[in-house]
Amino acid sequence: AQSVSQHNHHVILSEAASLELGCNYSYGGTVNLFWYVQYPGQHLQLLLKYFSGDPLVKGIKGFEAEFIKSKFSFNLRKPSVQWSDTAEYFCAVTGSGNTPLVFGKGTRLSVIA
Amino acid sequence: ETGVTQSPTHLIKTRGQQVTLRCSSQSGHNTVSWYQQALGQGPQFIFQYYREEENGRGNFPPRFSGLQFPNYSSELNVNALELDDSALYLCASRPRGGNTEAFFGQGTRLTVV
Repeated sequence: AQSVSQHNHHVILSEAASLELGCNYSYGGTVNLFWYVQYPGQHLQLLLKYFSGDPLVKGIKGFEAEFIKSKFSFNLRKPSVQWSDTAEYFCAVTGSGNTPLVFGKGTRLSVIA
Repeated sequence: ETGVTQSPTHLIKTRGQQVTLRCSSQSGHNTVSWYQQALGQGPQFIFQYYREEENGRGNFPPRFSGLQFPNYSSELNVNALELDDSALYLCASRPRGGNTEAFFGQGTRLTVV
């Protein structure tokens, strides 16, 4: 069965600290990978996506993620977090075609001054 | 703004009642998916519609049903509501195709008492 594991339930960082959120997936076949962010009271927004090509993908707001096929991982990184990055982060995977997204349970990031 | 709108934004129902949630997809998007997001969890796939036909379903009982209309808007119906149905219900739309991202609405917060 397809699944996504996010290892960190809640991460607390000080402003300017570096961020890495783990994501591992279990999915047969070709995968498309996503990170979504949910700010308090707002809809899910796409941070970045991987379909093919360069395994290091850059997204909005200075986020990036690296697809490591051998490790079935797609970890999210940011060199220096800001208070405004406080949100819930979701890793998701889908296959080729019109298959639905499978989400992880999410990681809550709290950035303190 | 994603162009995906959901109504209502909040709803309180009594156990055993029925509820209908609505979603207008982004212009040009013919695939609509519904997700349930319980508190502290990632979104769980309920079902997906493409051109008015259900073409994928998650692990939800038959009392969760849906419709898609010719304009690609969609409804989610839940019969015989249970307390555990309390959650945020998300609608996502995307164009048909292999490598496309999903755009999410703000969600409907359903509380069953």
